[in-house]
Amino acid sequence: GNSVTQMEGPVTLSEEAFLTINCTYTATGYPSLFWYVQYPGEGLQLLLKATKADDKGSNKGFEATYRKETTSFHLEKGSVQVSDSAVYFCATASENTGNQFYFGTGTSLTVIP
Amino acid sequence: KAGVTQTPRYLIKTRGQQVTLSCSPISGHRSVSWYQQTPGQGLQFLFEYFSETQRNKGNFPGRFSGRQFSNSRSEMNVSTLELGDSALYLCASRGSSYEQYFGPGTRLTVT
Repeated sequence: GNSVTQMEGPVTLSEEAFLTINCTYTATGYPSLFWYVQYPGEGLQLLLKATKADDKGSNKGFEATYRKETTSFHLEKGSVQVSDSAVYFCATASENTGNQFYFGTGTSLTVIP
Repeated sequence: KAGVTQTPRYLIKTRGQQVTLSCSPISGHRSVSWYQQTPGQGLQFLFEYFSETQRNKGNFPGRFSGRQFSNSRSEMNVSTLELGDSALYLCASRGSSYEQYFGPGTRLTVT
């Protein structure tokens, strides 16, 4: 089946720092890729997605590009804010696996003022 | 559109008891998936229901079961609760596109 490996946390950054959270995947076929964010005490929210190679997903200043050659979908943000403190999950889903989602282990981000 | 709702939000049960959790998907969504989230194991897929049929199943013992009703609402049942079942149980619904939309979760504590 598919799998996702993402950067271990926790990650602590100062406000306005640059963020990268690495995510690589293994999958058959042509999976869709997602980043979800979970704020304390809440469920997961879809942050961005990409459905084919070279697609760039973006939302709220976050970006990730679907790189088929490196099987990666790294999350980036140019200038993080305290409000970005949360846990970030990379995920993949494809028709080959019955559309089942596979999530990474999550990366905890804390942004300090 | 209203989001995914889960009830109850918090639950405390005793070892050996059983529990039923409920999930109402976004209107029009026919797929409902359930996940268990714990600090040690992360997000683990339990099962997915689509049009009242279980379509996918994760690697959990038979004590974990679910069902889906004709209005797409879903319930998850855990029988003979164990301490290790303490977790946040998340439900997610999906429409015609790939992305899943999650509810706020039910926090189950087993004592």
